[in-house]
Order: sequence, then structure tokens, then C-alpha cells
Amino acid sequence: AQSVTQPDIHITVSEGASLELRCNYSYGATPYLFWYVQSPGQGLQLLLKYFSGDTLVQGIKGFEAEFKRSQSSFNLRKPSVHWSDAAEYFCAVGTGNSYNTDKLIFGTGTRLQVFP
Amino acid sequence: NAGVTQTPKFQVLKTGQSMTLQCAQDMNHNSMYWYRQDPGMGLRLIYYSASEGTTDKGEVPNGYNVSRLNKREFSLRLESAAPSQTSVYFCASSEVAAAEQFFGPGTRLTVL
Repeated sequence: AQSVTQPDIHITVSEGASLELRCNYSYGATPYLFWYVQSPGQGLQLLLKYFSGDTLVQGIKGFEAEFKRSQSSFNLRKPSVHWSDAAEYFCAVGTGNSYNTDKLIFGTGTRLQVFP
Repeated sequence: NAGVTQTPKFQVLKTGQSMTLQCAQDMNHNSMYWYRQDPGMGLRLIYYSASEGTTDKGEVPNGYNVSRLNKREFSLRLESAAPSQTSVYFCASSEVAAAEQFFGPGTRLTVL
């Protein structure tokens, strides 16, 4: 069965430091992968997505993620974190075997805390 | 363009009461979804509707029913609320199933 694992429940970084949030997936075919961000009390906003092609994808707010098939990973990175990046981050995989897949499977999330 | 809207924002129910959570989108999307979010468990799919006139169960459908009223609206009903249904409920929509999903602001439901 498809699954998504985010091994880090909570990460704390200093403002200006680099960030990497880990995501591993289990899926038999080429996955469709997403990173979402949720600010406190808000809904989820898409940061970036991978469907095919270049394995390094750029997103909004200066985030990027790299798809590594050999490691079944889709880690999210940012070179310099801002205090406003404090939020919860969710990795998700699209199920099915084509662009018209049924639904997303979400990881349990990583809460990012940023210290000044 | 409001995106995805949900009502109400907050609700407190007593065990056994019923209620309907409303969701509407103005992006002309075909697919709509209902999720629940619980601490440490991420988002879990309750029901989804790949297109107008169709609905399917997700991961945690027990205790819920849905209605795809038209292309814009997708409601979630709790017939007899239980404390285990205390959660934050999110509605989402997408242009095609599993493309980028756009989320509403959520409904925080407490069942006493």
C-alpha cells in the first residue's frame, strides 16, 4: 500500500540557517509528490509538486525539493529560513498510475519552529 | 475569487447530535475532498468526489455521509456525532483528481 513517512515530528532552527525536511514514500510506480505548508489555524497551501522531468523542483517562498527514486525520498530544502516559515509541513503522494489519480496520501507532518 | 469556503468555522456538538459541514468552491473544479486532521496523524481522507454525481469512500468513512450537491458544493454530514469525531475538518478541490488540491480554512468540531 502507498504510504508517506515524515520521520521528524518537530524541527527547530535558527533564523538564517538552512533547512531540510525529510519525506520518504512507498509506491510501486512513478509517484506524484507534493509538499504543503500549514500556518497555525489555516488551511494547507501548496509549496511545490513533482510530476515528471527534472528531479529538482522549485516552489514558492524560496523552497525546493529533490526527488530521488533510488532512496524513495522527496526532501524539502531552503537555504536560509525566515521567522515566517514557522509552520507545519506535509509531504503527500498521489495514488494511482496516471495523472488522473484518485487521491493524495499525506504524511503525519513536521512542525518547524524558528528561533530569532 | 474566494477559492474554497467552509462553514461553520467552529462547532460544538453533544454526543448523538447531527450536523452538516458545508463546502463550496468557485474554481470550477471537478474533484472535491473531505479530510480530517488529528494531532500526529496528518490528514486522512474521509470521502471524495472525483466528479459531479459520484462519491467514494476514503480511508476513514465510518460515521460520515456526503452529498455532492452540484459541481460547486460538497457537504459532509455527521448523523450521530461521537467524541471520536472531534477533529479539524478540511475540504479541498482540484481540477483533476490528485492534481494540486486547494484547501479551505477548516472547521474545528468538538463533540462533548
